[in-house]
Amino acid sequence: ETGVTQSPTHLIKTRGQQVTLRCSSQSGHNTVSWYQQALGQGPQFIFQYYREEENGRGNFPPRFSGLQFPNYSSELNVNALELDDSALYLCASSKDRITDTQYFGPGTRLTVL
Amino acid sequence: AQSVAQPEDQVNVAEGNPLTVKCTYSVSGNPYLFWYVQYPNRGLQFLLKYITGDNLVKGSYGFEAEFNKSQTSFHLKKPSALVSDSALYFCAVRDPGSNYQLIWGAGTKLIIKP
Repeated sequence: ETGVTQSPTHLIKTRGQQVTLRCSSQSGHNTVSWYQQALGQGPQFIFQYYREEENGRGNFPPRFSGLQFPNYSSELNVNALELDDSALYLCASSKDRITDTQYFGPGTRLTVL
Repeated sequence: AQSVAQPEDQVNVAEGNPLTVKCTYSVSGNPYLFWYVQYPNRGLQFLLKYITGDNLVKGSYGFEAEFNKSQTSFHLKKPSALVSDSALYFCAVRDPGSNYQLIWGAGTKLIIKP
C-alpha cells in the first residue's frame, strides 16, 4: 500500500450536482496531484497543489477546483456535473513536484446519471 | 507537442518468455520517465523511474527499463513473464516545459498466457 487514501470509494450523482472528493497524502509528502481516468484510457492531469497553492493545471474547466490543507490533505470539487465527468478520480502525493515519484491512492469511482 | 506513445494496445506473451512493453516520448529538455502498473479497479502502482545516471533502471517485481536518448524510448522489460504480470501498464514523463506535470501514455494491456 502507498499510504495515500481517498474517499469515498464510489459515488453516484446526477447531472448538475456538485461533488467533493478527498485525499490524504502519504506522510512527509507536500505535493498532491489529481487525475481523471476515463474507462480504457490513461490518466489526465487535472491540477497539482504544492504547499497549499495550485502549482499547475491541465485542460479542465474552472468548475473543477481544489484545495490543499496545512496537513497536505486535499479536496477536488466538481460543480455542475456532466455525464462525461463519470470516471475514476485518482489522487497522488509526492515529496516534490519535479523528480520524486508520485504515489497513488486507490481512486474514487464517480458515476454521473 | 509534448507526448508519450505506447504503440501497442495489447501485448501477449507466454509465461516464462521475456516481455517488452514499448514507450516513446517527445518532450523539451531532459525527461523524467516513469512506469506504472494498474490492476483492475485499482489505483496505479509505481514500478520504476529514470531521472539521471545509468540508462538501465531496475524496479519492482523484476521489471527493468532502458532509457535510450537517441531513440527517445523507455521500454519496459522483464526476462521471464509471470501470469500475475497480466495488467495494464502506463508510461509517463514529467515535462519540464509544462511545469513538470506528468504526461501519460494511453496504456498497454499485457496478457501473460500459462
